[in-house]
Amino acid sequence: NAGVTQTPKFQVLKTGQSMTLQCAQDMNHNSMYWYRQDPGMGLRLIYYSASEGTTDKGEVPNGYNVSRLNKREFSLRLESAAPSQTSVYFCASRLTLGFLRTGGDTGELFFGEGSRLTVL
Amino acid sequence: AQSVAQPEDQVNVAEGNPLTVKCTYSVSGNPYLFWYVQYPNRGLQFLLKYITGDNLVKGSYGFEAEFNKSQTSFHLKKPSALVSDSALYFCAVRDDRGSTLGRLYFGRGTQLTVWP
Repeated sequence: NAGVTQTPKFQVLKTGQSMTLQCAQDMNHNSMYWYRQDPGMGLRLIYYSASEGTTDKGEVPNGYNVSRLNKREFSLRLESAAPSQTSVYFCASRLTLGFLRTGGDTGELFFGEGSRLTVL
Repeated sequence: AQSVAQPEDQVNVAEGNPLTVKCTYSVSGNPYLFWYVQYPNRGLQFLLKYITGDNLVKGSYGFEAEFNKSQTSFHLKKPSALVSDSALYFCAVRDDRGSTLGRLYFGRGTQLTVWP
């Protein structure tokens, strides 16, 4: 059972280049998330997808786009990379139970191993 | 707004001694609280959660957390620390309001170092 798999694990980009971070989960989770982790800042949510076919902005969405390709996969795209996007990126997933607007789930997040991105 | 605060960037403790990693929260509504641990160059791993019920929650690796509603705290504890417990610990609160349903807000993290 692989859990949450992220690729690539490491990437170096030049300013202005584009790239896509891939994430896949094999736990049949319906919700998926992209976070970035910066020293002293904790984890900040970039985008999330509560279910297949939906995506929503998190705390720091500027400069990013996402695609929920299917239930398993949720990709994060940097269209024109900037040095401020140098960070460690984590994908996570969660099984949410019950009807979305009434909550009722208690599922914890499962994280990938992270993708370390450096923008020069 | 939902938020958590971890007042200590670092906690140092000797092996065998009890440890506490502090977390306070601010929520509107019922608090759903979580602790995660991150080992070097790894993703975050779930330790424990408080949803409702007993104020003392037991989790993985011998950790427990005490929920205190009057002090709005959710401190992580372990009776006897191990060197292998050295890691970065994150407290998180879940937002169950409207369009942000189910999002987790993380604290900045506390680096725990246990020396032999």
